[in-house]
Amino acid sequence: EAGVVQSPRYKIIEKKQPVAFWCNPISGHNTLYWYLQNLGQGPELLIRYENEEAVDDSQLPKDRFSAERLKGVDSTLKIQPAELGDSAVYLCASSLEGLAGEQYFGPGTRLTVT
Amino acid sequence: GQQLNQSPQSMFIQEGEDVSMNCTSSSIFNTWLWYKQDPGEGPVLLIALYKAGELTSNGRLTAQFGITRKDSFLNISASIPSDVGIYFCAGQLGGGSEKLVFGKGTKLTVNP
Repeated sequence: EAGVVQSPRYKIIEKKQPVAFWCNPISGHNTLYWYLQNLGQGPELLIRYENEEAVDDSQLPKDRFSAERLKGVDSTLKIQPAELGDSAVYLCASSLEGLAGEQYFGPGTRLTVT
Repeated sequence: GQQLNQSPQSMFIQEGEDVSMNCTSSSIFNTWLWYKQDPGEGPVLLIALYKAGELTSNGRLTAQFGITRKDSFLNISASIPSDVGIYFCAGQLGGGSEKLVFGKGTKLTVNP
């Protein structure tokens, strides 16, 4: 069974440029999460989807971050415009509904903003 | 907001030694989880704990859910070089919340 797929694995952009990350969850997992992980820290939740509905986006900086999961399967996280402080690893995870404790993570996208 | 205090921050041990790390919080959690993260990869779930007082093993790993629901520990016995990595605890709040709160991690180095 394929795990959570994320692309790209690495991205280097200049500040003020837009960037997008893509995630395909494990087949059958209707809950999808986007996390931010800074160096030396644990993951921090940005947004959680149940199917195509964003049920927790309280930690998403909505002035520059947006996310979508139009068909309830794969998802895209966008930053526009990027700032230097956005340099981090962006992790996607998925789980079966009601089993938030058993989240399966993708390898992440390492973003560097110069 | 909820915070998890994970300790120690880092450990340097010899192969074959046992390891213990723990997580504490001022908040009550319904579920405690332990993840391991290798460089350049996402966290991988090691053990999930669902009941206060629960003691669960996964091979050489043993974890316990504290009876106060505010703490958990992870033990690794007879460490081997591939145990190297960062170990994160995570707690899931109750009351219908699906949110996981992660600790800052314990970085484990095993010297052969």
